Amino acid sequence: DARVTQTPRHKVTEMGQEVTMRCQPILGHNTVFWYRQTMMQGLELLAYFRNRAPLDDSGMPKDRFSAEMPDATLATLKIQPSEPRDSAVYFCASVNPGLGYEQYFGPGTRLTVT
Amino acid sequence: KQEVTQIPAALSVPEGENLVLNCSFTDSAIYNLQWFRQDPGKGLTSLLLIQSSQREQTSGRLNASLDKSSGRSTLYIAASQPGDSATYLCAVRGTSGSRLTFGEGTQLTVNP
Repeated sequence: DARVTQTPRHKVTEMGQEVTMRCQPILGHNTVFWYRQTMMQGLELLAYFRNRAPLDDSGMPKDRFSAEMPDATLATLKIQPSEPRDSAVYFCASVNPGLGYEQYFGPGTRLTVT
Repeated sequence: KQEVTQIPAALSVPEGENLVLNCSFTDSAIYNLQWFRQDPGKGLTSLLLIQSSQREQTSGRLNASLDKSSGRSTLYIAASQPGDSATYLCAVRGTSGSRLTFGEGTQLTVNP
């Protein structure tokens, strides 16, 4: 049963600390997305990659957020320094364009910054 | 800029009822439309994917239709069950780029 995995599932940290979230896309999926979900803003696209290359990161605050794909099985999203307004659920999703471009979401990382 | 609207925002029905959730989008130049379900505290689960060339897709008690020219999609749920209670989101992918544009969702409650 192929699925997107994310770690950690929950993270509580203090303002100013670095946060790293990890995502393992479904094997064979070459496009990976990072989303953020809050009650106020709903789902927001932060960035996405194809074949490990960033295609669009316009939704991401550049001064504190960074996203990378060091290899085809790992995507990372870092926040440094974290702020209380970053508290949200962060989702990763992956797509195999050759299969109709259906997006599959991971379970999310619930981040709380105090 | 694509905008996606879902009506109603919330819906409460008794068990066994057939129901329809609506999704409309402003730009008909879409590649596909995807319906998701989200349970509280969980991720999004893909329910149905309709390509722009298709009119409908079915999976079990779910049927999604697409009318691209009018910018509308509906998700039909037959014989609703309490386990169907969740938030349902529709999202469209445009013909350029890979991003999905999401609606705000319909929160469905099916009462036993």
